[in-house]
Amino acid sequence: GAGVSQSPSNKVTEKGKDVELRCDPISGHTALYWYRQSLGQGLEFLIYFQGNSAPDKSGLPSDRFSAERTGGSVSTLTIQRTQQEDSAVYLCASSLAGQGVYEQYFGPGTRLTVT
Amino acid sequence: TQLLEQSPQFLSIQEGENLTVYCNSSSVFSSLQWYRQEPGEGPVLLVTVVTGGEVKKLKRLTFQFGDARKDSSLHITAAQPGDTGLYLCAGATGGTSYGKLTFGQGTILTVHP
Repeated sequence: GAGVSQSPSNKVTEKGKDVELRCDPISGHTALYWYRQSLGQGLEFLIYFQGNSAPDKSGLPSDRFSAERTGGSVSTLTIQRTQQEDSAVYLCASSLAGQGVYEQYFGPGTRLTVT
Repeated sequence: TQLLEQSPQFLSIQEGENLTVYCNSSSVFSSLQWYRQEPGEGPVLLVTVVTGGEVKKLKRLTFQFGDARKDSSLHITAAQPGDTGLYLCAGATGGTSYGKLTFGQGTILTVHP
C-alpha cells in the first residue's frame, strides 16, 4: 500500500523567496503532522491537524510559517520570506485517529536549503 | 513544556557488543514510542509502550517503560552493522494534544563490522 509521500524531495531556494512543501498522507488517516529536523537531530513539532478540529499550531516558529490541509487529505506547508535558518528536513507524518495510541507513519521528508 | 533527554547522543561500537539507550523526562507520558531513522528517510516506528513497567521485545531489541511512565530504555543485544542509524524516542501526553509527540534529540548508533 502507499505510504506517506512528500514533494519535492529536495528544494534549494534563495533567501527571501517563498516555498511550498506538499504532503500526501496515508489514505484514511485523519491526523497529519509536520516536523522539522536539523542534521542528525531530533524532530521539532510544527503543526498538527486532526480531522475537522482547529489545528494545533503551537510549534510554528514564526508567522512566516503556515500550513493548510484541504479536504482532510493533502497538506501544504508554506514558508514565506525564507531565511537561512529555515534550512532543514521537513517531515510529514500521518496517523489514524481515535482512542488509544497515535502511531505516526512518516514520509521521506523534503530537504530545504536556503542560500 | 515536556522535554525528553536522550543519552548517549553518539554511540560507536563493534559488532556483537550490547548497548543501551536511555530516554528520560520529568514529565509523565501516556505512551512512549521508539523510532529508527536511516539517512534520507523518515523515522520508522519500532515499538510503542503504554503501561508503566512494560517490557517489549523485538528480536534483539528490548524496550522498557519506567514504572512512573517518565523514562524508557532501548537495549540491543549483539549489535549488528544493520542496526546502525538514528534512534529516537517520542512521548505522547494525551488529553487535548492527544496526537502530539515530543521527541528526544536522538542517539546516533554506529556498529562497526
